[in-house]
Amino acid sequence: EVQLVQSGAEVKKPGESLKISCKGSGYSFTSYWIGWVRQMPGKGLEWMGIIYPGDSDTRYSPSFQGQVTISGDKSISTAYLQWSSLKASDTAMYYCARPRYYGAYYFDYWGQGTLVTVSS
Amino acid sequence: QSALTQPASVSGSPGQSITISCTGTSSDVGGYNYVSWYQQHPGKAPKLMIYEVSNRPSGVSNRFSGSKSGNTASLTISGLQAEDEADYYCSSYTSSSTWVFGGGTKLTVL
Repeated sequence: EVQLVQSGAEVKKPGESLKISCKGSGYSFTSYWIGWVRQMPGKGLEWMGIIYPGDSDTRYSPSFQGQVTISGDKSISTAYLQWSSLKASDTAMYYCARPRYYGAYYFDYWGQGTLVTVSS
Repeated sequence: QSALTQPASVSGSPGQSITISCTGTSSDVGGYNYVSWYQQHPGKAPKLMIYEVSNRPSGVSNRFSGSKSGNTASLTISGLQAEDEADYYCSSYTSSSTWVFGGGTKLTVL
C-alpha cells in the first residue's frame, strides 16, 4: 500500500529555520515525483514545487522560488521542505503528494499534512 | 503564474446538478489535457475526483464528471448528496513545468 507519512506539527518563532518531512512507503521512492502544497488558514491550495528523488530534479512554482527549498534523501525514502528564516505568513498546513505513475500529471496519493505555526 | 479562476461558492439541493467552472489560459488549462479536480472536506487532505479533464479514478462516483472547452474546464456533480458538500479545487499542469490550482469553490448542499 502506497503511503506518504508527514512529520508532526511544528510551532516556531519568526526567523527560525525549519525542515519538515514526507516519508514514502509501499513503492519505489526514487521512481515517482513528490510535490508540496501549501494551504494557509481558511484559504485554498497552492502548488509550491516538486522533486524527482531519482535524480533530485526540482521545480518550483514562481511564487515559492527562493522562499523554500525542496530536497530528498533516497536512502530513507523521504522528501523535505525547508525554510531558512520563517515568517508569520508561513503559518499554514503543508501537504506532500505523489502522482499515480511517473508520467501522470495528477496526484492520487497525499500525506496527512503538517501544520506549521509561526508566531512570536 | 496566476491561480485558475473558480467561483467562490455554488449551492444546490439534494438530487440537483451543479457545475463548477475553472478558467485559465492557453499556458495551462487551454494548452494541456492535464486538468484535475480535488475534493476537500474540512480538516482532511484533498482527494482526487477527476483527472486528465474527464477521467474518474476507481472508487469515485459516476455522479462526478469533467469537461473542457478552450481555456475553461468544468466539474459537474449530478444527483447532489449531502456528502458532496466540500471545497473543490481544479488544477492544471502549466507551460512552466509545474502546476497551478484554482482558488477553490465551496459547495453547499441546501
